[in-house]
Amino acid sequence: GENVEQHPSTLSVQEGDSAVIKCTYSDSASNYFPWYKQELGKRPQLIIDIRSNVGEKKDQRIAVTLNKTAKHFSLHITETQPEDSAVYFCAAGRLYNQGGKLIFGQGTELSVKP
Amino acid sequence: KAGVTQTPRYLIKTRGQQVTLSCSPISGHRSVSWYQQTPGQGLQFLFEYFSETQRNKGNFPGRFSGRQFSNSRSEMNVSTLELGDSALYLCASSQTGDGRVQPETQYFGPGTRLLVL
Repeated sequence: GENVEQHPSTLSVQEGDSAVIKCTYSDSASNYFPWYKQELGKRPQLIIDIRSNVGEKKDQRIAVTLNKTAKHFSLHITETQPEDSAVYFCAAGRLYNQGGKLIFGQGTELSVKP
Repeated sequence: KAGVTQTPRYLIKTRGQQVTLSCSPISGHRSVSWYQQTPGQGLQFLFEYFSETQRNKGNFPGRFSGRQFSNSRSEMNVSTLELGDSALYLCASSQTGDGRVQPETQYFGPGTRLLVL
């Protein structure tokens, strides 16, 4: 069935270091890969997304890379700050023929120590 | 624009009861998806509605159902509640949900926290 595996489950870094979270998906028809950040007690919020026709996308300190052949994608956060501390979720979906359905990874709890 | 809203925010029920949760999407959004979030299982897809029709369904038992109204507001219902149904129920809205327009972001509501005793 459809599955997204996410690693690591917890990640602790020093302020200013980089953080990398990796996800692997099983459904080869997936073509949309968003990343959400969820702070404690709050709703998930989209931080970046990528479609399968793009290999990499950047937005300031955040970047996502996609390897369709290996069916994995990664989130890179550079120059981490304490406010980056949160749970991050990757997800995979099929636009065009299964819209509105996202399969989420289990989440990564990122802690950025000042 | 106002964000996605959900009511009620908190709910306590007992086993065997039923519950109805409501979700109002962002104005102009026609796709509403529902997710169950638990510490053990993470975020799991329940179902998605578009133009008053269920377009996608996850792997949940038939006790979980939903509907969407002509104004795109959506409700989900859980009948015969079990202890394991205790969770945060999140809805998310997007313009069409199928990539016909960009961006195709799903915006989440604040969730309804359900506790089943």
